[in-house]
Amino acid sequence: QKEVEQNSGPLSVPEGAIASLNCTYSDRGSQSFFWYRQYSGKSPELIMFIYSNGDKEDGRFTAQLNKASQYVSLLIRDSQPSDSATYLCAVKGGYQKVTFGTGTKLQVIP
Amino acid sequence: KAGVTQTPRYLIKTRGQQVTLSCSPISGHRSVSWYQQTPGQGLQFLFEYFSETQRNKGNFPGRFSGRQFSNSRSEMNVSTLELGDSALYLCASSLGVQGAPTEAFFGQGTRLTVV
Repeated sequence: QKEVEQNSGPLSVPEGAIASLNCTYSDRGSQSFFWYRQYSGKSPELIMFIYSNGDKEDGRFTAQLNKASQYVSLLIRDSQPSDSATYLCAVKGGYQKVTFGTGTKLQVIP
Repeated sequence: KAGVTQTPRYLIKTRGQQVTLSCSPISGHRSVSWYQQTPGQGLQFLFEYFSETQRNKGNFPGRFSGRQFSNSRSEMNVSTLELGDSALYLCASSLGVQGAPTEAFFGQGTRLTVV
């Protein structure tokens, strides 16, 4: 089992819809969870982080964390073509080690 | 404030050579992590340095090594390059201190091509 798992996609959503990106992790001791966006040929850019169970909202983005189910998700409301990118889930466990999923490619169709 | 700076941005090397990449973290950040990114494998963790000490290490061969200086700048070295080492090498900096904000910020990366 991979430490951090994401569906590789592509996930295609129409412009204006809600995009839902999911991530599961195996280390129950994980404390910090991050979502990065990576455009083709660019480096990852941090868009959200969450430490506590529940929802955290920032503009059009909402991160959801369920530690009991070892599940973290990212919702993007009112999706725009500029949101088309690969979204990487990252999990920080003990000793400050960060593990990334392989990413989900999102395509927002105009 | 200045972001994470990686140099050089692009490199072409020949098999068997060695290469050194540099990363200057955000001012005040003491943790520097290195990643290799390839289309097939995604982001693979190489190692993390904190206060000049290697704190975490991924599953890469000994040809991959790194170090961190007292000003938190870090270098990674790859010896005896192989074609499979062609990748985007990314470094990320964070405060790295337990209890402090833990989010990491990436540099623009070094694109290494081995021919």
